[in-house]
Amino acid sequence: NAGVTQTPKFQVLKTGQSMTLQCAQDMNHNSMYWYRQDPGMGLRLIYYSASEGTTDKGEVPNGYNVSRLNKREFSLRLESAAPSQTSVYFCASSEPGLANEQFFGPGTRLTVL
Amino acid sequence: KQEVTQIPAALSVPEGENLVLNCSFTDSAIYNLQWFRQDPGKGLTSLLLIQSSQREQTSGRLNASLDKSSGRSTLYIAASQPGDSATYLCAVRRSGGGYNKLIFGAGTRLAVHP
Repeated sequence: NAGVTQTPKFQVLKTGQSMTLQCAQDMNHNSMYWYRQDPGMGLRLIYYSASEGTTDKGEVPNGYNVSRLNKREFSLRLESAAPSQTSVYFCASSEPGLANEQFFGPGTRLTVL
Repeated sequence: KQEVTQIPAALSVPEGENLVLNCSFTDSAIYNLQWFRQDPGKGLTSLLLIQSSQREQTSGRLNASLDKSSGRSTLYIAASQPGDSATYLCAVRRSGGGYNKLIFGAGTRLAVHP
């Protein structure tokens, strides 16, 4: 099992460009999440999908859109990148239940110039 | 609003020392608390998860405790090793509405030197 995979690992964009971050999990989890991590701030939730076909905003959704393509895949799109979106982005998945333990991907390091 | 604080922000200790990392949260209505390890440039690895009804969890040299009433958790690392050097994050899962969401602390950066 690969767990949670993310592509790309690194990306540099110019202000105003768009891109999509991809995430896939092979653990048959129902819930998936997108976080961003900035220095000294911990991880903050951008969007999450409790189950296939549903998405909800997290703490910092502005400037982002998401698509839950199927049960395995959850993508994050930046329509018009801004320098404030320079961050490390993590995808996670979990199975709702008693523990709902979240499993994380390796992250995408994004720089917006 | 739930806020999670980790103290200290950074810690440097000699190999072999026992150490304690602290995590505090402002709203005691949590479902569970999770401790993660993050190596530089890597993702998060779950270390321990404590349900709100539990007082502690142990895995090898790691022991995590939870005191919901005081809004605190500690991660105890016994006989530290250079391989323990990493950033340690705690996160709480809220109970009730928004139960799927984790609220993270900023982490404690640990360096264990030989």
